[in-house]
Amino acid sequence: GAGVSQSPRYKVAKRGQDVALRCDPISGHVSLFWYQQALGQGPEFLTYFQNEAQLDKSGLPSDRFFAERPEGSVSTLKIQRTQQEDSAVYLCASSLALIDGELFFGEGSRLTVL
Amino acid sequence: ELKVEQNPLFLSMQEGKNYTIYCNYSTTSDRLYWYRQDPGKSLESLFVLLSNGAVKQEGRLMASLDTKARLSTLHITAAVHDLSATYFCAGEETSGSRLTFGEGTQLTVNP
Repeated sequence: GAGVSQSPRYKVAKRGQDVALRCDPISGHVSLFWYQQALGQGPEFLTYFQNEAQLDKSGLPSDRFFAERPEGSVSTLKIQRTQQEDSAVYLCASSLALIDGELFFGEGSRLTVL
Repeated sequence: ELKVEQNPLFLSMQEGKNYTIYCNYSTTSDRLYWYRQDPGKSLESLFVLLSNGAVKQEGRLMASLDTKARLSTLHITAAVHDLSATYFCAGEETSGSRLTFGEGTQLTVNP
């Protein structure tokens, strides 16, 4: 596709439900990042992949958060047993190069936990 | 750990006026980025500043970087309504690694 595509764009979950958020990066992009953006705040780093390897997951807030990119392209961010504090926009970004690559962001998946 | 602070967080200005948004960061940063975000939209890359003294301009926006002062500025010249958005700066500790964002500056340009 022309840009980074994320789905669903909007998700409402009841507290305790599991959710899965999908990111389709730009074709051929090696690096993929997930960020969490709470209302009125800047994005905060969650995790980072180079191809299929998850190189940094230090930003994941708890063990309820899990991300994968099994074939080095599409990535899924899974949140188990959602809590109200998980409500945020989850942004995915990709870049072509391992270094010096411009980062392209998707429009995000807005998660609301009731 | 890199920390990034922006000020002001909210800025209301009249069309035609000039203003500057400041971005301070706490430790050495390989690169400094400026992004624009419209409500409900994604982040649009504006500038990447790579070295001390770097200055980049695009239309009414000009960004600069002073690595010694650990300060970047985004200067707005003769603001127009279309510039209303939230502007983020972000630092990158090492090349290709995660970005650390500031809280954002919500800019409103009034006619």
